[in-house]
Amino acid sequence: GAVVSQHPSRVICKSGTSVKIECRSLDFQATTMFWYRQFPKQSLMLMATSNEGSKATYEQGVEKDKFLINHASLTLSTLTVTSAHPEDSSFYICSARTRANYGYTFGSGTRLTVV
Amino acid sequence: AQSVTQLDSQVPVFEEAPVELRCNYSSSVSVYLFWYVQYPNQGLQLLLKYLSGSTLVKGINGFEAEFNKSQTSFHLRKPSVHISDTAEYFCAVSDQSEGSSGSARQLTFGSGTQLTVLP
Repeated sequence: GAVVSQHPSRVICKSGTSVKIECRSLDFQATTMFWYRQFPKQSLMLMATSNEGSKATYEQGVEKDKFLINHASLTLSTLTVTSAHPEDSSFYICSARTRANYGYTFGSGTRLTVV
Repeated sequence: AQSVTQLDSQVPVFEEAPVELRCNYSSSVSVYLFWYVQYPNQGLQLLLKYLSGSTLVKGINGFEAEFNKSQTSFHLRKPSVHISDTAEYFCAVSDQSEGSSGSARQLTFGSGTQLTVLP
């Protein structure tokens, strides 16, 4: 079945630095990629939606200059958390969708800890 | 816009007992319905989905769900749970139309239900 590889699974960074999270669709073309954020014991909150070759659409309250999303190819999307602060510590999950098959495939998530 | 309500935040159940995790949704348009399972520090795995056809949907790991349009519900059931079923379960909906640009519609998630299977 469809697989989305998300890396890194865990990252600890210093406050003020930037962190890049990658999501690759291994055996299908992801026309749309969704990026979610999940706080402990809470549900997934959609941060942004990106279509290959287009600018991402951010949800209300999500700073587009802080959370940079790039979806330059049909198999790779990246989320860069710029100038990270402790309040950015969270679990980030990507989800890919291809129009060929109505399904959403999730990455394994990235636990970001900013110290 | 859609919304999803999972009334039970935690469901403890003994091993080999049946379980039902409740999900109700609200939408002004026709929707697709999903159940996902999440193990600690992992992404989401699809258990089952309802797109059309039979309202009783069978998924992986012995789970099934029934779509009830009149009650706007999509409850998840398993006749006999195992310790390994302990996890967080999320109900989600998506409207059936594609976006105006042909992009996929987003999923709207419920708040999740922690299923804990006790020995």
